[in-house]
Amino acid sequence: GNSVTQMEGPVTLSEEAFLTINCTYTATGYPSLFWYVQYPGEGLQLLLKATKADDKGSNKGFEATYRKETTSFHLEKGSVQVSDSAVYFCASYNFNKFYFGSGTKLNVKP
Amino acid sequence: GAGVSQSPSNKVTEKGKDVELRCDPISGHTALYWYRQRLGQGLEFLIYFQGNSAPDKSGLPSDRFSAERTGESVSTLTIQRTQQEDSAVYLCASSTRDGPGIYGYTFGSGTRLTVV
Repeated sequence: GNSVTQMEGPVTLSEEAFLTINCTYTATGYPSLFWYVQYPGEGLQLLLKATKADDKGSNKGFEATYRKETTSFHLEKGSVQVSDSAVYFCASYNFNKFYFGSGTKLNVKP
Repeated sequence: GAGVSQSPSNKVTEKGKDVELRCDPISGHTALYWYRQRLGQGLEFLIYFQGNSAPDKSGLPSDRFSAERTGESVSTLTIQRTQQEDSAVYLCASSTRDGPGIYGYTFGSGTRLTVV
């Protein structure tokens, strides 16, 4: 079947720290992979995506690489800011449907 | 419109009452999805519309839940005889027919439903 598992939060970091949020997926076939971000009080926004193996998605300093061999799509950022505080959702898209992880809350302290 | 619009943004209702939630997708987006997000949890798929095809209702949790969409326009999600476990944020998203796997969805800001 299809599912997405991501690390539980909350993750608390100091400003300028390195961020990794782990995400792994199970799928039949070859899904597209996404990270969405949800800022407080807002809807989900697409952060980045990768549609095939070895693709790297990047946006706003965040990166994630589609790793077929480890079925992973970990989110990374070299230096987080307070404004990055939000909930991050990993998702796969397969057979006309998105499968979302449970979300990881990130708190960045000044 | 420029984005996906949902109304109301907040709804408080008494247990046992019916509620209707509305979603206006982006103009030209043929696909429309409803998700439910309970507090502190991930997104739960409810229903998917694609143009004039029969909707995928596989995620609706009970027969108290129903949704309609006329053509490629507005959708309404109706919850009958609301229960406290229905309290959640209901998110609507839309996309072009072939877009989701490439561009992802565009989400609305959601309707926060509280059943008291």
